[in-house]
Amino acid sequence: EIVLTQSPGTLSLSPGERATLSCRASQSVSSSYLAWYQQKPGQAPRLLIYGASSRATGIPDRFSGSGSGTDFTLTISRLEPEDFAVYYCQQFGSSPFTFGPGTKVDIK
Amino acid sequence: EVQLVESGGGLAQPGGSLRLSCAAPGFSVSSNYMTWVRQAPGKGLEWVSVIYSGGSTYYADSVNGRFTISRDNSKNTLYLQMNSLRTEDTAVYYCARLGNSRRGGMDVWGQGTTVTVFS
Repeated sequence: EIVLTQSPGTLSLSPGERATLSCRASQSVSSSYLAWYQQKPGQAPRLLIYGASSRATGIPDRFSGSGSGTDFTLTISRLEPEDFAVYYCQQFGSSPFTFGPGTKVDIK
Repeated sequence: EVQLVESGGGLAQPGGSLRLSCAAPGFSVSSNYMTWVRQAPGKGLEWVSVIYSGGSTYYADSVNGRFTISRDNSKNTLYLQMNSLRTEDTAVYYCARLGNSRRGGMDVWGQGTTVTVFS
Protein backbone atom coordinates (compact mmCIF):
# COMPACT_ATOMS: atom_id res chain seq x y z
CA GLU A 1 0.00 0.00 0.00
CA ILE A 2 1.25 3.48 -0.89
CA VAL A 3 1.17 5.74 2.17
CA LEU A 4 0.75 9.47 1.56
CA THR A 5 2.03 11.97 4.12
CA GLN A 6 0.90 15.59 4.00
CA SER A 7 2.62 18.52 5.63
CA PRO A 8 2.06 20.67 7.45
CA GLY A 9 -0.96 19.37 9.31
CA THR A 10 -2.24 22.92 9.72
CA LEU A 11 -1.22 26.05 7.86
CA SER A 12 -2.25 29.39 9.38
CA LEU A 13 -2.15 32.19 6.84
CA SER A 14 -3.83 35.48 6.00
CA PRO A 15 -5.87 36.26 2.88
CA GLY A 16 -3.55 37.29 0.06
CA GLU A 17 -0.69 35.12 1.25
CA ARG A 18 0.80 32.17 -0.63
CA ALA A 19 0.10 28.63 0.57
CA THR A 20 2.40 25.71 -0.18
CA LEU A 21 1.14 22.23 0.71
CA SER A 22 3.24 19.09 0.49
CA CYS A 23 2.27 15.48 -0.27
CA ARG A 24 4.94 12.80 0.01
CA ALA A 25 4.45 9.18 -1.08
CA SER A 26 6.07 6.11 0.48
CA GLN A 27 6.92 4.89 -3.03
CA SER A 28 6.99 6.44 -6.46
CA VAL A 29 3.65 7.43 -7.97
CA SER A 30 3.24 8.23 -11.64
CA SER A 31 2.38 11.90 -11.84
CA SER A 32 -0.57 10.90 -14.02
CA TYR A 33 -2.19 9.37 -10.98
CA LEU A 34 -1.96 12.09 -8.32
CA ALA A 35 -4.91 14.33 -7.49
CA TRP A 36 -5.72 17.10 -5.00
CA TYR A 37 -9.10 17.88 -3.42
CA GLN A 38 -10.55 20.68 -1.32
CA GLN A 39 -13.15 20.01 1.36
CA LYS A 40 -15.14 22.50 3.38
CA PRO A 41 -17.15 21.58 6.51
CA GLY A 42 -20.36 19.73 5.71
CA GLN A 43 -19.54 19.47 2.02
CA ALA A 44 -18.32 16.76 -0.31
CA PRO A 45 -14.75 17.10 -1.54
CA ARG A 46 -14.09 19.02 -4.75
CA LEU A 47 -11.49 18.01 -7.32
CA LEU A 48 -8.85 20.72 -7.79
CA ILE A 49 -5.92 19.10 -9.57
CA TYR A 50 -5.49 15.82 -11.47
CA GLY A 51 -2.45 14.34 -13.15
CA ALA A 52 -0.37 16.21 -10.55
CA SER A 53 -0.59 19.53 -12.42
CA SER A 54 -3.80 19.82 -14.46
CA ARG A 55 -6.54 22.02 -13.06
CA ALA A 56 -10.03 20.56 -13.01
CA THR A 57 -12.88 22.32 -14.78
CA GLY A 58 -13.75 25.66 -13.19
CA ILE A 59 -10.78 25.77 -10.81
CA PRO A 60 -9.17 29.24 -10.62
CA ASP A 61 -5.60 29.60 -11.84
CA ARG A 62 -4.37 30.62 -8.39
CA PHE A 63 -4.35 26.85 -7.71
CA SER A 64 -1.42 24.96 -9.19
CA GLY A 65 0.09 21.53 -8.73
CA SER A 66 3.56 20.21 -9.35
CA GLY A 67 5.88 17.36 -8.53
CA SER A 68 6.83 13.86 -9.54
CA GLY A 69 7.99 10.56 -8.09
CA THR A 70 7.39 10.78 -4.35
CA ASP A 71 7.09 14.54 -3.82
CA PHE A 72 4.12 16.62 -4.89
CA THR A 73 3.05 20.18 -4.10
CA LEU A 74 -0.18 22.15 -4.21
CA THR A 75 0.30 25.91 -4.32
CA ILE A 76 -2.35 28.57 -3.82
CA SER A 77 -0.76 31.76 -5.08
CA ARG A 78 -2.92 34.27 -3.22
CA LEU A 79 -5.40 32.99 -0.66
CA GLU A 80 -8.99 34.13 -1.06
CA PRO A 81 -11.45 33.92 1.87
CA GLU A 82 -13.16 30.90 0.26
CA ASP A 83 -9.87 28.94 0.11
CA PHE A 84 -9.71 28.27 3.85
CA ALA A 85 -10.50 24.56 3.97
CA VAL A 86 -8.90 21.12 4.24
CA TYR A 87 -6.87 19.81 1.31
CA TYR A 88 -6.22 16.15 0.51
CA CYS A 89 -3.95 14.45 -1.97
CA GLN A 90 -4.80 11.03 -3.40
CA GLN A 91 -2.92 8.52 -5.50
CA PHE A 92 -4.39 6.23 -8.15
CA GLY A 93 -1.14 4.51 -9.07
CA SER A 94 -2.04 1.28 -7.35
CA SER A 95 -4.90 -0.09 -5.30
CA PRO A 96 -5.78 0.84 -2.59
CA PHE A 97 -6.18 4.39 -3.89
CA THR A 98 -5.02 6.03 -0.70
CA PHE A 99 -5.57 9.58 0.53
CA GLY A 100 -3.21 11.66 2.58
CA PRO A 101 -4.37 12.74 6.06
CA GLY A 102 -5.07 16.29 4.89
CA THR A 103 -3.73 19.79 5.47
CA LYS A 104 -6.01 22.34 7.09
CA VAL A 105 -5.53 25.89 5.86
CA ASP A 106 -6.99 28.25 8.40
CA ILE A 107 -7.12 31.99 8.89
CA LYS A 108 -4.29 33.47 10.90
CA GLU B 1 -26.87 18.14 -15.16
CA VAL B 2 -24.19 15.67 -14.15
CA GLN B 3 -24.77 14.59 -10.56
CA LEU B 4 -24.75 11.68 -8.15
CA VAL B 5 -27.54 11.02 -5.68
CA GLU B 6 -26.89 8.61 -2.81
CA SER B 7 -29.40 6.85 -0.61
CA GLY B 8 -29.62 3.90 1.75
CA GLY B 9 -27.72 5.14 4.75
CA GLY B 10 -29.08 4.68 8.24
CA LEU B 11 -28.64 2.83 11.50
CA ALA B 12 -27.38 -0.73 11.82
CA GLN B 13 -26.15 -3.00 14.56
CA PRO B 14 -22.74 -4.64 14.52
CA GLY B 15 -22.90 -7.68 12.29
CA GLY B 16 -25.76 -6.21 10.32
CA SER B 17 -26.06 -5.17 6.68
CA LEU B 18 -26.94 -2.11 4.64
CA ARG B 19 -27.00 -1.41 0.92
CA LEU B 20 -26.10 2.02 -0.37
CA SER B 21 -27.30 3.24 -3.75
CA CYS B 22 -25.93 5.97 -5.98
CA ALA B 23 -28.02 7.12 -8.93
CA ALA B 24 -26.32 9.00 -11.75
CA PRO B 25 -28.66 11.15 -13.79
CA GLY B 26 -26.74 12.84 -16.55
CA PHE B 27 -24.07 10.26 -17.39
CA SER B 28 -23.49 6.53 -17.74
CA VAL B 29 -22.29 4.64 -14.66
CA SER B 30 -21.22 1.68 -16.79
CA SER B 31 -18.94 3.83 -18.99
CA ASN B 32 -17.01 5.24 -16.06
CA TYR B 33 -14.81 4.12 -13.21
CA MET B 34 -16.95 4.60 -10.10
CA THR B 35 -15.79 4.73 -6.50
CA TRP B 36 -16.95 4.85 -2.90
CA VAL B 37 -15.15 6.99 -0.34
CA ARG B 38 -16.02 7.36 3.34
CA GLN B 39 -15.29 9.82 6.10
CA ALA B 40 -15.64 8.91 9.77
CA PRO B 41 -16.80 11.70 12.09
CA GLY B 42 -14.07 14.31 12.45
CA LYS B 43 -11.62 12.27 10.37
CA GLY B 44 -10.09 12.37 6.91
CA LEU B 45 -11.16 10.73 3.68
CA GLU B 46 -10.79 6.96 3.25
CA TRP B 47 -11.04 5.32 -0.15
CA VAL B 48 -13.30 2.23 0.04
CA SER B 49 -13.78 0.64 -3.38
CA VAL B 50 -13.75 1.07 -7.15
CA ILE B 51 -15.48 -0.63 -10.06
CA TYR B 52 -13.94 -0.16 -13.49
CA SER B 53 -15.99 0.19 -16.64
CA GLY B 54 -14.87 -3.31 -17.60
CA GLY B 55 -16.23 -4.68 -14.33
CA SER B 56 -13.06 -5.22 -12.30
CA THR B 57 -13.42 -4.35 -8.63
CA TYR B 58 -10.96 -3.42 -5.88
CA TYR B 59 -11.35 -2.78 -2.17
CA ALA B 60 -9.58 -1.25 0.80
CA ASP B 61 -8.19 -3.89 3.14
CA SER B 62 -10.51 -2.63 5.89
CA VAL B 63 -13.64 -3.68 3.97
CA ASN B 64 -12.38 -6.48 1.73
CA GLY B 65 -14.53 -9.56 2.12
CA ARG B 66 -17.35 -7.63 3.81
CA PHE B 67 -18.35 -4.98 1.25
CA THR B 68 -19.29 -5.52 -2.40
CA ILE B 69 -19.42 -2.84 -5.07
CA SER B 70 -21.70 -3.40 -8.05
CA ARG B 71 -23.80 -1.57 -10.60
CA ASP B 72 -27.09 -2.02 -12.41
CA ASN B 73 -26.67 -0.71 -15.92
CA SER B 74 -30.41 -0.72 -16.62
CA LYS B 75 -30.99 1.56 -13.62
CA ASN B 76 -27.76 3.49 -14.14
CA THR B 77 -27.06 3.03 -10.45
CA LEU B 78 -24.01 2.12 -8.37
CA TYR B 79 -24.31 0.08 -5.18
CA LEU B 80 -22.30 -0.76 -2.10
CA GLN B 81 -23.48 -3.83 -0.22
CA MET B 82 -22.11 -3.67 3.31
CA ASN B 83 -22.20 -6.86 5.40
CA SER B 84 -20.76 -7.78 8.79
CA LEU B 85 -20.82 -4.12 9.78
CA ARG B 86 -18.55 -2.89 12.55
CA THR B 87 -18.72 0.23 14.70
CA GLU B 88 -15.66 1.52 12.83
CA ASP B 89 -17.69 1.54 9.60
CA THR B 90 -19.64 4.53 10.97
CA ALA B 91 -19.06 7.32 8.44
CA VAL B 92 -20.47 9.49 5.72
CA TYR B 93 -20.25 7.50 2.50
CA TYR B 94 -19.72 9.29 -0.80
CA CYS B 95 -19.93 7.88 -4.29
CA ALA B 96 -17.75 9.59 -6.88
CA ARG B 97 -16.97 9.36 -10.58
CA LEU B 98 -13.37 8.64 -11.50
CA GLY B 99 -13.97 9.05 -15.22
CA ASN B 100 -12.89 6.67 -17.96
CA SER B 101 -9.43 6.10 -16.52
CA ARG B 102 -7.44 6.61 -13.32
CA ARG B 103 -5.84 9.77 -14.70
CA GLY B 104 -8.64 12.28 -14.21
CA GLY B 105 -9.31 12.28 -10.47
CA MET B 106 -12.78 12.04 -8.96
CA ASP B 107 -14.62 14.93 -10.57
CA VAL B 108 -18.26 14.34 -9.59
CA TRP B 109 -19.32 13.56 -6.02
CA GLY B 110 -22.60 12.76 -4.35
CA GLN B 111 -23.85 14.61 -1.32
CA GLY B 112 -23.02 11.74 1.01
CA THR B 113 -25.16 9.34 3.01
CA THR B 114 -24.58 8.64 6.70
CA VAL B 115 -24.11 5.14 8.08
CA THR B 116 -24.13 4.66 11.85
CA VAL B 117 -23.27 1.29 13.34
CA PHE B 118 -24.02 1.05 17.04
CA SER B 119 -24.55 -1.64 19.62
